[in-house]
Amino acid sequence: EVQLLESGGGLVQPGGSLRLSCEGSGITFSTYAMTWVRQAPGEGLEWVSSISGSGDSINYADSVKGRFTISRDNSKNTLSLQMNSLRGEDTAVYYCAKGPGATRYDFDYWGQGTLVTVSS
Amino acid sequence: EIVLTQSPATLSLSPGERVTLSCRASQSVSRHFAWYQQRPGQAPRLLIYDASNRATGIPARFSGSGSGTDFTLTISSLEPEDFAVYYCQQRYNWPITFGQGTRLEIK
Repeated sequence: EVQLLESGGGLVQPGGSLRLSCEGSGITFSTYAMTWVRQAPGEGLEWVSSISGSGDSINYADSVKGRFTISRDNSKNTLSLQMNSLRGEDTAVYYCAKGPGATRYDFDYWGQGTLVTVSS
Repeated sequence: EIVLTQSPATLSLSPGERVTLSCRASQSVSRHFAWYQQRPGQAPRLLIYDASNRATGIPARFSGSGSGTDFTLTISSLEPEDFAVYYCQQRYNWPITFGQGTRLEIK
């Protein structure tokens, strides 16, 4: 059974940093692209960042470029999102999502989400 | 950026009814297109990929069609668990984009 488990969310002050993690199980992690998608309270889905299965292709939304860094450790089946210079508009539930292939960016499995709240 | 516009924003229907949701892309996305369902308090769930292929475990009452700029999701007979928010998504170009969602409400 495929499972994605996010962790690392919490309350952080504006300008602060947070690191999210997503651990995958039940899959050969390195063979799938991984993505972070966020959802602000009461709002729709917003793509944040994606990384290919090998890690050699990375893309970011303009809203987070230069502040967030996506990475993966295939030996540990773990996806990470380092978030710096956080703003109020970054407040959201952050989901990690798996693509059906190494360079496929639709999302066949999702984690349960981790809430990030940016507030003073 | 490819903008996806879903219509309508909200639909009020009864169980057993047939419904068609629409999503229009601001430029062609070929068939690099997906639909998701999100129930309250849950993560999104993939329903349809590549415009018309049902994802694993998705009931046959869900079907998708379209290519290029115009796409539809049809639910042939609404079940109580189908009342949720539906999102479309394109993966043709970066940035990946989602539609704003269509909410299906029980009438």
